[in-house]
Amino acid sequence: NAGVTQTPKFQVLKTGQSMTLQCAQDMNHEYMSWYRQDPGMGLRLIHYSVGAGITDQGEVPNGYNVSRSTTEDFPLRLLSAAPSQTSVYFCASSYGGGRADTQYFGPGTRLTVL
Amino acid sequence: DQQVKQNSPSLSVQEGRISILNCDYTNSMFDYFLWYKKYPAEGPTFLISISSIKDKNEDGRFTVFLNKSAKHLSLHIVPSQPGDSAVYFCAASERSNTGKLIFGQGTTLQVKP
Repeated sequence: NAGVTQTPKFQVLKTGQSMTLQCAQDMNHEYMSWYRQDPGMGLRLIHYSVGAGITDQGEVPNGYNVSRSTTEDFPLRLLSAAPSQTSVYFCASSYGGGRADTQYFGPGTRLTVL
Repeated sequence: DQQVKQNSPSLSVQEGRISILNCDYTNSMFDYFLWYKKYPAEGPTFLISISSIKDKNEDGRFTVFLNKSAKHLSLHIVPSQPGDSAVYFCAASERSNTGKLIFGQGTTLQVKP
């Protein structure tokens, strides 16, 4: 099993550009989430999904879109990048039900917006 | 408002001694708590968890204590090893069990040989 994979590892964008961060898991997990990590702020939840076709907002959803058309994939879209979105982004997945909260994380995408 | 707080940004201990990392929370609906460990340039990895029906959970060198009345949990590492040097995050989730975790800011642990 590859676990949770994220692409790209690094990305530099100019203000106003759009892009999609990819996330995939091969563990047949129901739940998937996106977090951003900023110095002194810990990990903050952006969006999450409890199954294909179902998504919801987390703590910091503004400027990001998600969709979940398959169980395996959960892409995160930046509509118009801003310098405030410079961060490290982590995707995570978990089984659902009683084990929902033990999330498995991908290696992260480091994004810089100029 | 930060619902999960780790008030110590860093901690330094000597190899072989005990490391104690602390975490406070404000939301009384939280019923499941986890600790994650993170090395640089890697994603967080799950370390240990505790349900609100317990006050202690042990796994090898790692023990988590939960004090519900004080809304406080702590992670004890005994004995500490240099390989334990990492950032430690505590996290919490509500009874709704949606897979939605709220994380603290993290504490950087340095274990000196």
